[in-house]
Amino acid sequence: DAGVTQSPTHLIKTRGQQVTLRCSPKSGHDTVSWYQQALGQGPQFIFQYYEEEERQRGNFPDRFSGHQFPNYSSELNVNALLLGDSALYLCASSLNPGTTSSYEQYFGPGTRLTVT
Amino acid sequence: AQSVTQPDIHITVSEGASLELRCNYSYGATPYLFWYVQSPGQGLQLLLKYFSGDTLVQGIKGFEAEFKRSQSSFNLRKPSVHWSDAAEYFCAVAPNTGFQKLVFGTGTRLLVSP
Repeated sequence: DAGVTQSPTHLIKTRGQQVTLRCSPKSGHDTVSWYQQALGQGPQFIFQYYEEEERQRGNFPDRFSGHQFPNYSSELNVNALLLGDSALYLCASSLNPGTTSSYEQYFGPGTRLTVT
Repeated sequence: AQSVTQPDIHITVSEGASLELRCNYSYGATPYLFWYVQSPGQGLQLLLKYFSGDTLVQGIKGFEAEFKRSQSSFNLRKPSVHWSDAAEYFCAVAPNTGFQKLVFGTGTRLLVSP
């Protein structure tokens, strides 16, 4: 049973550049959430996608955008990178909303983004 | 706004000793509650969850947690710690309103001494 996968593992970008991170959900899951984990902090919710639409968004600027594809995989895009965007970006998948089981989120290993 | 407090940044426990990690939350209603573990360079692994019912929940790897409504707490326990338990532990809450947004605490780093 394939778990949540993310690519790439590591990424180094320069300020002002744009980056795309990718996520494939756990088999059977159709909802994808993205989190940012700064060094020494707990993950912070960026947004969630279900049925190819953004369902909920955390307190992140519009520079952060996403997409979900028909196969439920997802991308996180960050434009105009800032030094403060350096973090571990985690993708989590879950079942479609409607049952308590949908609150169980399964995380991928993350993408470590370094902005120089 | 919801918040989760993990008052202990670091905890050191001797191998074989018992463990309790503290978690307090602030929310108007009882949210859904979770504990996750993160090993260095890894993603988060779900240890256990509480939705309703029995306030003592069992999880993987011998962990358990007790929900205490009166104290707004959801502390994680293990009777006997193994060296492989050394990791970062995060408590998280989710409002039971239909959106699965998780709010995390800042984590507690567990060190296990021989």
